[in-house]
Amino acid sequence: DIQMTQSPSSLSASVGDRVTITCQASQDIYDFLNWYQQKPGEAPRVLIYDASTLGTGVPSRFSGRGSGTNFTFTISSLQPEDIATYYCQQYDTLLRSSFGGGTKVEIK
Amino acid sequence: EVQLVQSGAEVKKPGESLKISCRGSGYKFMNYWIGWVRQMPGKGLEWMGIVYPGDSDTRYGPSFRGHVTISADPSITTAWLQWSSLKASDTAMYYCARLTGAGNFFEYWGQGTLVIVSS
Repeated sequence: DIQMTQSPSSLSASVGDRVTITCQASQDIYDFLNWYQQKPGEAPRVLIYDASTLGTGVPSRFSGRGSGTNFTFTISSLQPEDIATYYCQQYDTLLRSSFGGGTKVEIK
Repeated sequence: EVQLVQSGAEVKKPGESLKISCRGSGYKFMNYWIGWVRQMPGKGLEWMGIVYPGDSDTRYGPSFRGHVTISADPSITTAWLQWSSLKASDTAMYYCARLTGAGNFFEYWGQGTLVIVSS
């Protein structure tokens, strides 16, 4: 089973800051990596899929990159509405999947 | 419009059985994988498993295999998550979600079903 190690578990940044979250897979997952945003009391929604593809209607300040075992998710300029918890998710060719532990993003 | 509507909150006792539902509409239900995601209070997302309504093919996460059953009936466009004997540790919010046609991410989500297991 593939394990996803996500870091940091939480961060505090100012409005306008660049924020980066990393996710490391326990084995090669190619680009089978997604990033979700979950706001309190809401279901998650996908922001980035297949490592670097922006989801429908997702602002361009969100981006993702990486392949193999190391992936990064970036918010280029943090906005107040970006306060949320972010999760990476890997999947394999048999559609089995797992999530990273999550990163809670707060405003400083 | 694609919608996933989940059944309401449940309060059960340890040892009881439970089946919660997720009804899909606005798309061809039998052609898309539907999955379940657990979120324990104050914790992260956990992938439980998925089912393909067209042929009932299922995949389970290692922590959930043997502890829950995931199923679907395309004739009534509904998927289920069921337990035969609940534990207090099953207390959580449970989301259903539909994969894309390519199966690469959860594109649509239900509103969540809160399950509380307490004596």
